[in-house]
Amino acid sequence: QQPVQSPQAVILREGEDAVINCSSSKALYSVHWYRQKHGEAPVFLMILLKGGEQKGHEKISASFNEKKQQSSLYLTASQLSYSGTYFCGTGATDSWGKFQFGAGTQVVVTP
Amino acid sequence: DTGVSQNPRHKITKRGQNVTFRCDPISEHNRLYWYRQTLGQGPEFLTYFQNEAQLEKSRLLSDRFSAERPKGSFSTLEIQRTEQGDSAMYLCASSLGFQTGRDGYTFGSGTRLTVV
Repeated sequence: QQPVQSPQAVILREGEDAVINCSSSKALYSVHWYRQKHGEAPVFLMILLKGGEQKGHEKISASFNEKKQQSSLYLTASQLSYSGTYFCGTGATDSWGKFQFGAGTQVVVTP
Repeated sequence: DTGVSQNPRHKITKRGQNVTFRCDPISEHNRLYWYRQTLGQGPEFLTYFQNEAQLEKSRLLSDRFSAERPKGSFSTLEIQRTEQGDSAMYLCASSLGFQTGRDGYTFGSGTRLTVV
């Protein structure tokens, strides 16, 4: 089952922060985050594993609450290059190896 | 490492025709995945391989779809008797796959299928 992402879209000014949430109805062992720019393939950002690990990439970080089956992506001091659609991919414990992706959150960073 | 390569980039076909797409993963990657993406949606899982073994196939996939990965290298996705609803971007991805869930996917640029 597909994870649910929120918000669907966010508009930021350069330097502002944003949070993107990803929720699943299933028990998860792993969460991935990807960014896709228009007309391009999704690009891997980071992976989070069971245990509440928080990983970082540039000024983008994420957390994973396995008990709540939720992950959040934090965009800090956003840059123009952060614009794109962000997808979470979730690996559920009952479907080992298969990742399901959310519908995406469109992020627009303006000067 | 030239990344994941998909061919063709674009395919326009008439309804009812068969089409085949090819994916060449990163050479040292054991796992290969096929996803389908429509406008404004996230990638939708179709199937995945561990080496040459097809480990799972989406229930959403009808019998018109088939995928192979002979010798655990490149993979092909065939759609028979195409329908207009098959129009989408077909994405291939690969990963190391040694530790499930611990390595990210590298996606190819996709094959955009238009059924007219």
